[in-house]
Parts: sequence; C-alpha cells; structure tokens
Amino acid sequence: AQTVTQSQPEMSVQEAETVTLSCTYDTSESDYYLFWYKQPPSRQMILVIRQEAYKQQNATENRFSVNFQKAAKSFSLKISDSQLGDAAMYFCACDGGATNKLIFGTGTLLAVQP
Amino acid sequence: DTGVSQNPRHKITKRGQNVTFRCDPISEHNRLYWYRQTLGQGPEFLTYFQNEAQLEKSRLLSDRFSAERPKGSFSTLEIQRTEQGDSAMYLCASSLVLRSNEQFFGPGTRLTVL
Repeated sequence: AQTVTQSQPEMSVQEAETVTLSCTYDTSESDYYLFWYKQPPSRQMILVIRQEAYKQQNATENRFSVNFQKAAKSFSLKISDSQLGDAAMYFCACDGGATNKLIFGTGTLLAVQP
Repeated sequence: DTGVSQNPRHKITKRGQNVTFRCDPISEHNRLYWYRQTLGQGPEFLTYFQNEAQLEKSRLLSDRFSAERPKGSFSTLEIQRTEQGDSAMYLCASSLVLRSNEQFFGPGTRLTVL
C-alpha cells in the first residue's frame, strides 16, 4: 500500500521569503509520479508541480521547485519569494498503478505574513 | 470548457435520506475520479471510471454508495441512508489517459448530514 506523510501541519513564512514544505512517501511501484497540490480556502485544488520518479532532475515551475530524493523517498516543496496568494493548504500526493489514483498526505497549512 | 464542475456545491440532509451528487468532467477527459475529504485530512480515493467503466472501488465505498458514469460523460455519486459519518467534501477529478496524469479537480460538494 502507498502512504504519504506530511509532518508539518502548519507553516508560516514572511512575504518575499523562502519556505520548504516536507513530504515523505512509500510505494512499491517502480513507475510513479509525485505531486504538490494547492487548495486555497473554499476554492478548488490546483496542481502546483509534478515530478516523474524516473527523472533525476528536480522539477521547477517559476517560484516553485522540489527536492526529490528517491532513495530516501522524500519530496519537499520549496516556495521562493513567497506571496500573499501562496497562502493555502498544500497537499503532497503520490500516484502509481494502472488507475493513477492519488494518495494524499494530510496537508500543510501555509500562512504568509505581510 | 471551463473545467470540472460539481453540483450541488452544498447539501444539507437528514440522517437516513438519500443524496445524489453530479460531476461534469472536462469534455475530452476519459478518466474520472471521486474522492472524499474530511476536515483536516487529505482527499481519500473512493472510485474511478475510465470512460463508462467503473474500474476500481475503495474499501471506503460501502454498499450504501453507488457511482455511475453513463456514456462516459458526467458521473453521479449516490449515498443511500445517509449517516452523520458521511459528512464530508466530495471531490471529483478528471484526467486524460496519459502517464503524466494531471488530475483536474472540481470545487467539490460539501455534504452535511444532521
């Protein structure tokens, strides 16, 4: 069975600063994807960034980047130059298997202080 | 096409009543997923369709739950004889059959069982 663990229920960052959200996972699949999704208050979940497990290079999307450590089964999200609009719940997720269903962690609530 | 839509957005019902939710995926997406999210938790997988075929159901999906996707377009999720423990946000997501599998989420239906 796949599991995803987010050990930081809440994080806070000053505007324009950098913050890192942690995630560890466990899977028996050899071919899988990892995702960070953002869920703003009362709004729908959107994809922030995606990492293919067979790619060694860490994914980046503008101010968002990941540190993917496959052997350690670690997948952290770094947000640079934090903005007020980054305030949201962030979920780490893993997929695998034929159906590609997502297994989510419990989330990290990020607050951005002006 | 403006994304995945779900109706209703909110549903309040009394214990023992039946409820039905609808999900309209992005039109060209042939995969459709239902997830359930309770307060303070990440979404949990319920069931998955590829076109009109329901290919996987979670053990979370008791006999009181049924889902359909006639003609491979919209999907409905019905809960019979609702219980207070069914209170949650029900999320729908759709994707293409591509290994990169970005799932696009709808806004969810929030169910409150009194």
